[in-house]
Amino acid sequence: QQQVKQSPQSLIVQKGGISIINCAYENTAFDYFPWYQQFPGKGPALLIAIRPDVSEKKEGRFTISFNKSAKQFSLHIMDSQPGDSATYFCAASIKGSSNTGKLIFGQGTTLQVKP
Amino acid sequence: EAQVTQNPRYLITVTGKKLTVTCSQNMNHEYMSWYRQDPGLGLRQIYYSMNVEVTDKGDVPEGYKVSRKEKRNFPLILESPSPNQTSLYFCASSSMRKETQYFGPGTRLLVL
Repeated sequence: QQQVKQSPQSLIVQKGGISIINCAYENTAFDYFPWYQQFPGKGPALLIAIRPDVSEKKEGRFTISFNKSAKQFSLHIMDSQPGDSATYFCAASIKGSSNTGKLIFGQGTTLQVKP
Repeated sequence: EAQVTQNPRYLITVTGKKLTVTCSQNMNHEYMSWYRQDPGLGLRQIYYSMNVEVTDKGDVPEGYKVSRKEKRNFPLILESPSPNQTSLYFCASSSMRKETQYFGPGTRLLVL
């Protein structure tokens, strides 16, 4: 119930291509869905986030697509660049819970963008 | 600069030798937590704190302790480390009004 499942585990994309990472969840109480980006030797940093009342959110080359009925959400990276090479984590949380800051993370996707 | 700091960044120790990993944030955040990151498992919450003197268990608290005597500091204590606690540890903080969590740079721990 508390799990977030992420796929694929690793992804190789050519420069200029589209990177797509998918996540699925079971707990319908989740109301906040962030994506975090992690570079080697660094901590995760918030990339973009969405709430379940919208189906899509775009920030620059990064877009979250959200399908509430299917309980799935995905990250699309348009015009992928070598500088996007990193590990990406989807996550979910429940704002009104007793542990309001707790994030349930997916397993992570290592993205490599080839020049 | 707003940041979360952790020390040490790297630590090699032996089974049973008590250790403390420090965490400090300069953003006046109420909420702080510790996560461990393991390959194929993502990040899992160990302990969290909603404010000073208020702490509670996350999903994987066994073998860990925490304290929150000051708002800015949230140390993670391993009283008797074991090899299964070899992992990458992250401290995080956030304001209770906003969801964005800020993560420290991580502490890589190896328990022999």
